[in-house]
Amino acid sequence: LAKTTQPISMDSYEGQEVNITCSHNNIATNDYITWYQQFPSQGPRFIIQGYKTKVTNEVASLFIPADRKSSTLSLPRVSLSDTAVYYCLVGALNQAGTALIFGKGTTLSVSS
Amino acid sequence: DSGVTQTPKHLITATGQRVTLRCSPRSGDLSVYWYQQSLDQGLQFLIQYYNGEERAKGNILERFSAQQFPDLHSELNLSSLELGDSALYFCASSGPLAGFSQETQYFGPGTRLLVL
Repeated sequence: LAKTTQPISMDSYEGQEVNITCSHNNIATNDYITWYQQFPSQGPRFIIQGYKTKVTNEVASLFIPADRKSSTLSLPRVSLSDTAVYYCLVGALNQAGTALIFGKGTTLSVSS
Repeated sequence: DSGVTQTPKHLITATGQRVTLRCSPRSGDLSVYWYQQSLDQGLQFLIQYYNGEERAKGNILERFSAQQFPDLHSELNLSSLELGDSALYFCASSGPLAGFSQETQYFGPGTRLLVL
C-alpha cells in the first residue's frame, strides 16, 4: 500500500474553509484515495473517495492533481463539530484481503 | 448510526482473564474487520473475515482470535489479558462484494476494554 503523509494537526475558526493535504508519492495506477473522519471515542466514518480530478459530496470536496501524488480534502465553512481526526488512505479497489491502514491522521481543531 | 453494532460497550477485567467481544455487521455486508485503537499505537488493523472465512491478518497477537459465524456476526476473543491490551476495539463491515480494501467500511461504536 502506498504510504501517506499528512500534517499532524491543523487549527481553524468557524466558518473558514479548511484544506488538508495528503502526500502519496508512491500511489499505484489502481489506487483510490479515501478520507475518513474520527471523533473521540467513536469509530472512523467515511467522508469521500476519489481517483482523479475532483469529487464533491454533501460533506466535502476532494481535489486530486493529474499526477495523483497528493490529494486535498476541502471542508467548506467548518463548524465546531468538525473538530476531529482526518485520515487519508490509499489503496486499490481490487486489492482483496488488504484492510485499511490508518496513519496518524490530521487532528483538526476548530475554534469559535 | 452506521448500522454496525458492538457489544459490550465497556468491559473491565483483570490481567490473565479472557473476554469475548461481539460484532454484528450491517445488513447485507459480508466482510467484518477488527481494529484496535490505543493512545500510543493509533488505529491498528487486527483481522478480516469475509463470509465466514479469514481473509487477512494484521497485527493480531497469538493470544487473540476471531471468527465469523454463519449469520455473519463476528466475535473477537482476547485471552491471557495484559495491561497493554486496554484499548478501544472497533469492528467494521463492508460489502456485499468481495471485501476489497477500498470499499467503504462502516465502523461500529467500539468496545472499550480496561484491563486492571
